[in-house]
This record gives sequence, structure tokens and C-alpha cells, in this order.
Amino acid sequence: EPEVTQTPSHQVTQMGQEVILRCVPISNHLYFYWYRQILGQKVEFLVSFYNNEISEKSEIFDDQFSVERPDGSNFTLKIRSTKLEDSAMYFCASSPRLAGASEQFFGPGTRLTVL
Amino acid sequence: SQQGEEDPQALSIQEGENATMNCSYKTSINNLQWYRQNSGRGLVHLILIRSNEREKHSGRLRVTLDTSKKSSSLLITASRAADTASYFCATDGGGGSNYKLTFGKGTLLTVNP
Repeated sequence: EPEVTQTPSHQVTQMGQEVILRCVPISNHLYFYWYRQILGQKVEFLVSFYNNEISEKSEIFDDQFSVERPDGSNFTLKIRSTKLEDSAMYFCASSPRLAGASEQFFGPGTRLTVL
Repeated sequence: SQQGEEDPQALSIQEGENATMNCSYKTSINNLQWYRQNSGRGLVHLILIRSNEREKHSGRLRVTLDTSKKSSSLLITASRAADTASYFCATDGGGGSNYKLTFGKGTLLTVNP
């Protein structure tokens, strides 16, 4: 069964460093998302992406964050200058249609630790 | 309460018993979905119920949706130790957004063998 994959599974970085989290969505899906979950808290929406542009973003997704689909398979989340509070589990998701009409399938997550 | 609030926060039952978890939300929705998360792992999609549906079944799962009360319930029948996980409801379409899912805090289900 097709699944969303994410790399790395765990990333440790120093405060102020740039990180890139990578995702390979399910191949025939058209909509892509990033969410994050700070330890012990809710899963929070960051950004949605369709047709090579951002569809919607949350207040969390400030100028330090960016997303890109550099080729036909990868979907990346970049954090330019990490802060301690960016430590969280980051989930990528994809869906074949709008969230209003179909399920979103999640990857296993990347645990980001900012020291 | 916030969009997608589940209760109880924690539930402990014996194997073979049924587990019922509830979710409430505040804004209008297109769909409501339930996800499972094993400790420290990813989110597994369980079931989606549309706003015009009242009940849906999938294996041992039964989901109900009451849009007049803005609430949903997830019933797991004949629970197994492997069902131990956190369960989240997630809504979409609220606040004019068709893209993002809004998650609740989840119910931690423990099934004791």
C-alpha cells in the first residue's frame, strides 16, 4: 500500500541553524501539507501546498519557514534559523483531493530537536 | 472548548470491552476524521465521516456524527491490547478553510490484556 515517507526520522540541530525536512508524498496525490506536534500538545497545521504554490498557511508559518516541491516526488520544509521552540515532531501529509473531500495521509514524522 | 476537543482525555479498559471516545467541535465542517497515533509515531487514518452522514462503520470501528450538537463519537468494539494508542478527531472546512485539519488534544486509550 502506498505511503508517505519522511526523512530523516530524527534531526538534531543547533539554534540558529537551517534545517530541511524531506517528504515523499503518495505518488498520485495533488495536495501536500505540513503539520507539527510539540511534545504533549495538539497536532497543528502549518501549511498546505497545491499546484506549486501555498494554498493556506497558519500563523506559525512565518518568514522563517518555506516549502518547496523541487521535483516530481519530493516536498520539503525548510526552517531558516531554528529556535528552541521549533523542537517538535513534524508531519508531512498528502491527499488526492481537497481536505474537504478526502482523507489526508500522514508520514511517520521527523522529530526535530533544537539545542 | 476548542475545535476538535476529545473526551475523555484518558480511558483504560480491559481487552474485549468496548471503548467510546467523543469529540466536540465549534465551527461548521465538511468532514470529520479520526486518527490513531501510537506513542511517538505517525498518525494513522482510521475513518472519515462527511457532514451529511450520521453513522459509518469500518471493521470494529463505528463513528457517529451529530452536526446539530457538533459532536462525534468513535466506538471500538471488542478491543485488543494492540488498540492501545492516542485517538484524535480532526475537522476540516471550518472557518472557510477547505485545506487544513484542526486536531483535538486526543484520548489516550489503554487496553489492558
